[in-house]
Amino acid sequence: QKEVEQNSGPLSVPEGAIASLNCTYSDRGSQSFFWYRQYSGKSPELIMSIYSNGDKEDGRFTAQLNKASQYVSLLIRDSQPSDSATYLCAVNPGGSNYKLTFGKGTLLTVNP
Amino acid sequence: EADIYQTPRYLVIGTGKKITLECSQTMGHDKMYWYQQDPGMELHLIHYSYGVNSTEKGDLSSESTVSRIRTEHFPLTLESARPSHTSQYLCASSEYNPGKLFFGSGTQLSVL
Repeated sequence: QKEVEQNSGPLSVPEGAIASLNCTYSDRGSQSFFWYRQYSGKSPELIMSIYSNGDKEDGRFTAQLNKASQYVSLLIRDSQPSDSATYLCAVNPGGSNYKLTFGKGTLLTVNP
Repeated sequence: EADIYQTPRYLVIGTGKKITLECSQTMGHDKMYWYQQDPGMELHLIHYSYGVNSTEKGDLSSESTVSRIRTEHFPLTLESARPSHTSQYLCASSEYNPGKLFFGSGTQLSVL
């Protein structure tokens, strides 16, 4: 069973703090990793993708990947109330071209 | 403007009715997907398509069917709706990278 695990939260941080969201996956052959943001009542939207070990930065967002530990994380610097949403981790398992496996998501609340 | 459209946005229907959820995209993407999402749960892939006349079932067993007669159109049909079909249905498309999904607004289906 290929699984993606996330802490469901809620994760509550004050405005301006760093929010750290974590994700583990079970399939060692997984090739690519994605973070989606889903506001309440809305559809998911892609915010980050990462394919190799290390860090990838895009504005206030940093994705981190450690394939040896089967761990991917998302850091949000200078968190804003508008970042309050559910963050979904998605993994493209090895050998599967078209199917992502999603985690249940972590609800982030940024308090003003 | 390139986009992906789903109709209806909300649907309340009685048991036994036949329904079709519409999904169209103007992005020119070959790959299209149907996901099912319940509150607080993962997105589950129920159908996907590589292109015209190509459809596959996803990981989650579903009593629905799909068709792909035109690149831009990927409707989902339930022949006989049941209360267990109550859920949010999300349509998505992608270009080359199957991890980079663009989602429609979703259809919230309630079967009474």
